[in-house]
Amino acid sequence: ETGVTQSPTHLIKTRGQQVTLRCSSQSGHNTVSWYQQALGQGPQFIFQYYREEENGRGNFPPRFSGLQFPNYSSELNVNALELDDSALYLCASSFARQGSSPLHFGNGTRLTVT
Amino acid sequence: QKEVEQDPGPLSVPEGAIVSLNCTYSNSAFQYFMWYRQYSRKGPELLMYTYSSGNKEDGRFTAQVDKSSKYISLFIRDSQPSDSATYLCAMSGRRYGGSQGNLIFGKGTKLSVKP
Repeated sequence: ETGVTQSPTHLIKTRGQQVTLRCSSQSGHNTVSWYQQALGQGPQFIFQYYREEENGRGNFPPRFSGLQFPNYSSELNVNALELDDSALYLCASSFARQGSSPLHFGNGTRLTVT
Repeated sequence: QKEVEQDPGPLSVPEGAIVSLNCTYSNSAFQYFMWYRQYSRKGPELLMYTYSSGNKEDGRFTAQVDKSSKYISLFIRDSQPSDSATYLCAMSGRRYGGSQGNLIFGKGTKLSVKP
């Protein structure tokens, strides 16, 4: 059983640029969530995708957007990068059936905005 | 006031000690409580999951929830150097965050267990 994989592991971007982060869900999982973890903080919920549609969103501006593909892989896109966007971005997959299953996290993408 | 408060530490203990980690919260709608362990450069890993008030034990780990006090704890017995990590509490009004996957995390407590 393969776990959640994220790419790239590290990324450096300049303020104002755009970035795309990628996630491959754990085998058999149909739901993907994205979290932002700033240094010294706990993860904060960005949004979740189920059946290729956004299914819930945290307190993040519209320049944070995502996609989920039919094979349950996912992308997080951030436009007009700001210095405060520097963080670890975590992808988590789960299986939505009756109720929910635990989130399985990837090891994240470390984004640095200069 | 933040929804979930957790002392970031760092907490340093000798090998074999009993470790106590705690979180307080303000939202009475939270019913599902989790503890995650996060090693350096890794993603969070689910350790313990508890519904409503009560205790749950799994090996050296015990999770306690006191909803009346809005206080949760994680105890680690016979701590080992391999337990050195950041421990995050997380909670939700729905099981594992529900269909929307929204877990509210504490800041995390960095634990170091010295040999």
